[in-house]
Amino acid sequence: QQQVKQSPQSLIVQKGGISIINCAYENTAFDYFPWYQQFPGKGPALLIAIRPDVSEKKEGRFTISFNKSAKQFSLHIMDSQPGDSATYFCAASRSDYKLSFGAGTTVTVRA
Amino acid sequence: DGGITQSPKYLFRKEGQNVTLSCEQNLNHDAMYWYRQDPGQGLRLIYYSQIVNDFQKGDIAEGYSVSREKKESFPLTVTSAQKNPTAFYLCASSMSGGFYEQYFGPGTRLTVT
Repeated sequence: QQQVKQSPQSLIVQKGGISIINCAYENTAFDYFPWYQQFPGKGPALLIAIRPDVSEKKEGRFTISFNKSAKQFSLHIMDSQPGDSATYFCAASRSDYKLSFGAGTTVTVRA
Repeated sequence: DGGITQSPKYLFRKEGQNVTLSCEQNLNHDAMYWYRQDPGQGLRLIYYSQIVNDFQKGDIAEGYSVSREKKESFPLTVTSAQKNPTAFYLCASSMSGGFYEQYFGPGTRLTVT
């Protein structure tokens, strides 16, 4: 049973457009929500992370929006570039080290 | 050059054989993890270790075993009891505590026929 549900499974966006990936969780004990980016044949790398005491965090073209009451969080990729084409995973954890990952979203940016 | 190394990148085995995947880190991290990645299922935690000589089962530990004799090393053995071992295996490490970034290795793709 997946503790973090991620959607969509894949998306295609034009260069310069906005990519939006959504995640939902049930366990209210989760208090750390990272997003990882993975290129084919490589290990994932941390992109951006948020704690539930803030509703939004922005780093460059990447923004996390967090809705604690709805138990949802999302990643927005602004001005999407072909180099952003990758698989993105949301995740959640408590202070016990264990990360629970979503199923992943494959983003394709068309030039 | 700090990081996590996994070897080999590709591994082929016959069904019924045990196989050990290597994971080494020189980041001085206390915690290490093993994940399995299958298409459409994200990353699933197999085992993790917070300190040397101690490790805990993750969500899908059946058919796998690990050891943590050194801080730098966390090898994973895929035993013949694992019913569907073909997958992409990822090792990660982090500083102590749940809020620290997990750094991932490049992965080992295991194919069992």
